[in-house]
Order: sequence, then structure tokens, then C-alpha cells
Amino acid sequence: GQQLNQSPQSMFIQEGEDVSMNCTSSSIFNTWLWYKQDPGEGPVLLIALYKAGELTSNGRLTAQFGITRKDSFLNISASIPSDVGIYFCAGDMSGYALNFGKGTSLLVTP
Amino acid sequence: GAVVSQHPSRVICKSGTSVKIECRSLDFQATTMFWYRQFPKQSLMLMATSNEGSKATYEQGVEKDKFLINHASLTLSTLTVTSAHPEDSSFYICSAMIQGVYNEQFFGPGTRLTVL
Repeated sequence: GQQLNQSPQSMFIQEGEDVSMNCTSSSIFNTWLWYKQDPGEGPVLLIALYKAGELTSNGRLTAQFGITRKDSFLNISASIPSDVGIYFCAGDMSGYALNFGKGTSLLVTP
Repeated sequence: GAVVSQHPSRVICKSGTSVKIECRSLDFQATTMFWYRQFPKQSLMLMATSNEGSKATYEQGVEKDKFLINHASLTLSTLTVTSAHPEDSSFYICSAMIQGVYNEQFFGPGTRLTVL
């Protein structure tokens, strides 16, 4: 499948700070998704984006579907310790199989 | 709603044995399920697409005779790792899809396979 470029690979921040991570692709996607995975668990959907240019919020999370359909970003505002985990972007071209980024590992210190 | 379970959550087996992993959609029916594999500190890599009542579609490089997939009902798909070897040790995650205007995938909690 198509490999997505996700950055940064890891982040180490203090509680209360804002976080930003992004994904880029050489191919166009019809859907961009952001997931969070805790250790030993399956990924949980945070935000789904279906239209180019779409900006969607879910509590302290905000994500945007890039206008070129080749990128997306996720912002987390006012981070808290429970935000710790690995965040994955995923792109969908066909409405079926997902292509995942390599993940951003987030560590939050109190 | 939209809960997906996997069983077992962890399994340890000897090299050469076969291991079956179940993926169930608990409160919805799924004609399509997916099997992913995730190595430590790596991303999820799609192994195969499981279609109810038909043969699974495998991704390039995934041996269909080694990773047997059976999607016998609308709520159950199984992955059998045959003649497992230590290099098959990984975290196996399934997802079940709800089809609609926008298809949505819901992921199971994963199965940790360790082959000794």
C-alpha cells in the first residue's frame, strides 16, 4: 500500500502545551483519519475527514484535510497526561483498505 | 456500538504449531473485515481483506497458505497462522467495516502472538 510520511516521529512535551503533527502522501486520498493507540491495544478513531479543506474538531483535537488531498494535520491543545500514546494518520483511497503512517509517539510530563 | 473483539488477547506457542485468532463484530454485521500486523514500534500493515462468503484478498508479500483466513459469518473472521515461526511473533489486529456513505472501520484490541 501507499506509505504515508508522518512527522514528527516522537514528541516530548509538558502538560498544557499544544501539539501538532502531520502526514503527507505522494498520492491523493479521499479520506484522512487520525487514530490513537495505547500500548497493547488496537487503534481508536479520533477524527475522520472526508472533504478537501475540511477542518474538524473533537474536544481539544483539531484536524484538517489538506486542500491538495495529499496531507493532513492533527493539533492537540492544552495537552494532558492521558494524551500519551501513539498517534497514527491513515489515508483511504478506495473506501476499503487503509494506509497508515508510521506514527507519532507522544509523551506528556505533568 | 460498533465494538470489535478479538480472541485470544495473548498467545504463546511453540515453533511449528498453528494458532487461530478470532475477530468478532459484537453489535453489527460486517461483510468485510481486515487483518493487520504490527511489529514493535512499527505501523499497522495490512495483511489481507476478509470477505464473507468468499476468498480473502492478500496483500503482496503475504503468504496465503501460511495465513489462512476464514470469514464464515457476518460477525466472525478467523486468522490461522500455520506452522508458526519466531519471525511470525507480532501484534495482529483486525478491523470490521460498516459500509455506508463513508465506510468506517472499527478495530479490535489486538492479539499478541509470541512464537518460541
